[in-house]
Amino acid sequence: AQTVTQSQPEMSVQEAETVTLSCTYDTSENNYYLFWYKQPPSRQMILVIRQEAYKQQNATENRFSVNFQKAAKSFSLKISDSQLGDTAMYFCAFMKGEAAGNKLTFGGGTRVLVKP
Amino acid sequence: GAVVSQHPSWVICKSGTSVKIECRSLDFQATTMFWYRQFPKQSLMLMATSNEGSKATYEQGVEKDKFLINHASLTLSTLTVTSAHPEDSSFYICSAKKGSSYNSPLHFGNGTRLTVT
Repeated sequence: AQTVTQSQPEMSVQEAETVTLSCTYDTSENNYYLFWYKQPPSRQMILVIRQEAYKQQNATENRFSVNFQKAAKSFSLKISDSQLGDTAMYFCAFMKGEAAGNKLTFGGGTRVLVKP
Repeated sequence: GAVVSQHPSWVICKSGTSVKIECRSLDFQATTMFWYRQFPKQSLMLMATSNEGSKATYEQGVEKDKFLINHASLTLSTLTVTSAHPEDSSFYICSAKKGSSYNSPLHFGNGTRLTVT
């Protein structure tokens, strides 16, 4: 079974600064996908960024970027130029590739508070 | 965009009664939907995979007779919590898979807060 670990329960950052959230996972699979989801106070799950394990290039979406270290099984999220609207719970998630049925395994989450 | 709607957003029911939660994909067809449970300040735990036209696949430890899932159409899956008890109080979230490819994106509903008194 896969496990996803987020070691930081809470992080705070000043507006416009950068914060990095850590995520490690354990799997014996070679083909898989990794995700970061944002859950604001509204509880709506929002996809922030996605990474295919077979791609060496780190994914980037505007102010959000990841540092994917496959050998180390690490998948950190960097939020640059933090904005007040980035305040939310952030979940790292793992999904096996191909015929695995799109089942997501979530980490425990990191609460991010952006301070003005 | 791809919109997934859950109804109701919140529900309070008495212990021993049953409650039904709906998950609809509004602008796409979803052969596969997923139901998650989230306790306060905790992560999402997958409960079951809902497949259109066939039986749901439940995760280990989830009681299939207590959490009834029906996926009768390509746009609707329902979760019925039968004989609800206070320990069933939780936040229930669905997601729907848009497309048939194994890496088709998942879209989440806005969740349902269930309180059993």
